[in-house]
Amino acid sequence: LAKTTQPISMDSYEGQEVNITCSHNNIATNDYITWYQQFPSQGPRFIIQGYKTKVTNEVASLFIPADRKSSTLSLPRVSLSDTAVYYCLVGDSRYPGNQFYFGTGTSLTVIP
Amino acid sequence: GAGVSQSPRYKVTKRGQDVALRCDPISGHVSLYWYRQALGQGPEFLTYFNYEAQQDKSGLPNDRFSAERPEGSISTLTIQRTEQRDSAMYRCASSRGTGAFYEQYFGPGTRLTVT
Repeated sequence: LAKTTQPISMDSYEGQEVNITCSHNNIATNDYITWYQQFPSQGPRFIIQGYKTKVTNEVASLFIPADRKSSTLSLPRVSLSDTAVYYCLVGDSRYPGNQFYFGTGTSLTVIP
Repeated sequence: GAGVSQSPRYKVTKRGQDVALRCDPISGHVSLYWYRQALGQGPEFLTYFNYEAQQDKSGLPNDRFSAERPEGSISTLTIQRTEQRDSAMYRCASSRGTGAFYEQYFGPGTRLTVT
C-alpha cells in the first residue's frame, strides 16, 4: 500500500499561493492521487484528483511529476475561508485499497 | 439533490449501553463507508459496503462493532456495550462506485459521547 507523508501544518497570508506537497514513494501503476479538504465540524470534501502531469479545476491545481512519487496541491490566492485540513490519498482506481487512509493531513491556517 | 444524512447528530449514552447510528447515502450510490474520527485526527476507516454486501470490515476495532446495509441503501453502525473510548465523531460517506476514482461524499457525522 502506498503510504503518504504531508507536512503537519502550514501558515499563509491572505492572497498568497499555497503549495502543499505530499510524498508517496511507493505509488503503484494503477494508483490515483486524490485530495480532500475538511473544515472544522464538517466532513471531508473532495477537491481534486489526478494521475499524472497537471490537473486544474475551479478550486485548485494538482501537479504530479513524471515519477509520481510526490504531488503538490496548489491553492491560488488563498482567503481566510481556505483555513482547513487538507488530506492526500493514494489508491487504486479499481479497488478500494488504501484510498481509505486519510492520515493526519496538513492543517492550513490563513492569516489576515 | 440531498446529500448524505446521518442520525442522530449527537448521541450521549451511558457506558454499557448499545447504540445504533444511521446513515442515509445519496440515492443511487453503490458504495457506503463508515469512518471514525478523533479530534485532531483524520478519518479512520471502519468498514464499507457495495450495495448490501459488506466488502471490508478490517477497520472495525473489535466485535462490539457491527454494521449492516440490508437493502443496499440505508446503513446502521451498531456499537454494543459502549465504552468511554468509543467516544468520537462517526462519519458516513457514499460514492457512485468503488475504487479511488470515485469521489466520496461525506455526511455531517454523529458525535457519540459515552459517559
